[in-house]
Amino acid sequence: QFQVVQSGGEVKKPGASVKVSCNVSGYMLGLSWVRQAPGQGLEWMGWITPFNGNTKYAQKFQGRVTISADTSTNTVYMELTSLRSDDTAVYYCARGASWLDPWGQGTLVTVSS
Amino acid sequence: VLTQSPGILSLSPGERATLSCRASQSVANNNLIWYQQKPGQAPRLLIYATSRRATDIPDRFSGSGSGTDFTLTISRLEPEDFGVYYCQQYGASSLTFGPGTRVEVK
Repeated sequence: QFQVVQSGGEVKKPGASVKVSCNVSGYMLGLSWVRQAPGQGLEWMGWITPFNGNTKYAQKFQGRVTISADTSTNTVYMELTSLRSDDTAVYYCARGASWLDPWGQGTLVTVSS
Repeated sequence: VLTQSPGILSLSPGERATLSCRASQSVANNNLIWYQQKPGQAPRLLIYATSRRATDIPDRFSGSGSGTDFTLTISRLEPEDFGVYYCQQYGASSLTFGPGTRVEVK
């Protein structure tokens, strides 16, 4: 059964970077990252096709987000730079680049001085 | 852009729930998806390709629609169905979510 397990929560200062990992079991054509600020809705950040490394990013995050994959360890990473307080959110990875299933458990990233 | 209505739906267990998702432009290939999210949990895929139920999703959940107007129907609400429902569409280079409909106990 396909499983998605994310790294643990992070606390960062404004201006710093964060790198969240997502370990997957099983084959996947694509993997997406979605975030959810406290009490808010879902926001797509981007996706990757791990076998060739191709990525697509939401325009809002262009230049600040990098999604990468290490196929030897079945791990996908999402790095977000120049963090601001409004980047405080739960970050999810999920299999797929169309419909997303399954989802990881989420990683809370808190940005605070 | 996806718009969902109503924002909040207050119903009792056993009632029928009808959730709407409207797109600002026609959804390509009817690539409309629905998720359920409960507090403190990750979203769960319910419906993909407008009307196809995901694995293990009960048949009380159904999706319909085409073009710009789509509907998620829950025929008889069970206690575990209360939560927030999001629609989503995808294209060649992006993926967007609606703002969600909260289904709460009346």
